[in-house]
Amino acid sequence: AQTVTQSQPEMSVQEAETVTLSCTYDTSENNYYLFWYKQPPSRQMILVIRQEAYKQQNATENRFSVNFQKAAKSFSLKISDSQLGDTAMYFCAFMKQYFGNEKLTFGTGTRLTIIP
Amino acid sequence: EAQVTQNPRYLITVTGKKLTVTCSQNMNHEYMSWYRQDPGLGLRQIYYSMNVEVTDKGDVPEGYKVSRKEKRNFPLILESPSPNQTSLYFCASSFRKNRGSYEQYFGPGTRLTVT
Repeated sequence: AQTVTQSQPEMSVQEAETVTLSCTYDTSENNYYLFWYKQPPSRQMILVIRQEAYKQQNATENRFSVNFQKAAKSFSLKISDSQLGDTAMYFCAFMKQYFGNEKLTFGTGTRLTIIP
Repeated sequence: EAQVTQNPRYLITVTGKKLTVTCSQNMNHEYMSWYRQDPGLGLRQIYYSMNVEVTDKGDVPEGYKVSRKEKRNFPLILESPSPNQTSLYFCASSFRKNRGSYEQYFGPGTRLTVT
């Protein structure tokens, strides 16, 4: 079974600064996806960024980027030029890449607060 | 607009009173799933469905039932709710795109309180 660990329950950073959220995972699979989801106070689950394990290049989406270290099973999220709207709970998630149950295995989340 | 809808958004009920949370998607997705979110535990899968009339248990199925009679709908049924089912529930749907382009769409969530 896969596990996802987020070791930082809470973080805070000043507006406009850069912050990195950590995520490690454990799996014996070679092909999989990794995701970061954002959950603002509205509770909606919003996909922030996605990484395919077969891709060596780290994914980027505007101010959001990841550092994917497959051998170390690490998948951190970097938020640059942080904004007040980035305040949310962030979840790291794993999914096997196969034709079957598309279950997302989530970490326990990191609550990020952006300070004005 | 592509979306997953859930109803109700909020529900307070009493122990033992059967309830159904509806989930509907308008994207013709084959795969649908239910998760529950609890503090300190993240989201955990309850049930999933690969297609019409094809359902199976996830990680925490006890006390829940589902059905998939139509492709767009995937209701979650609590036949005899108990206080430990107080949680935030999410429905999600997806279809596999080309390798490297995958996304699972989430509904807005249903906050359930069982007293």
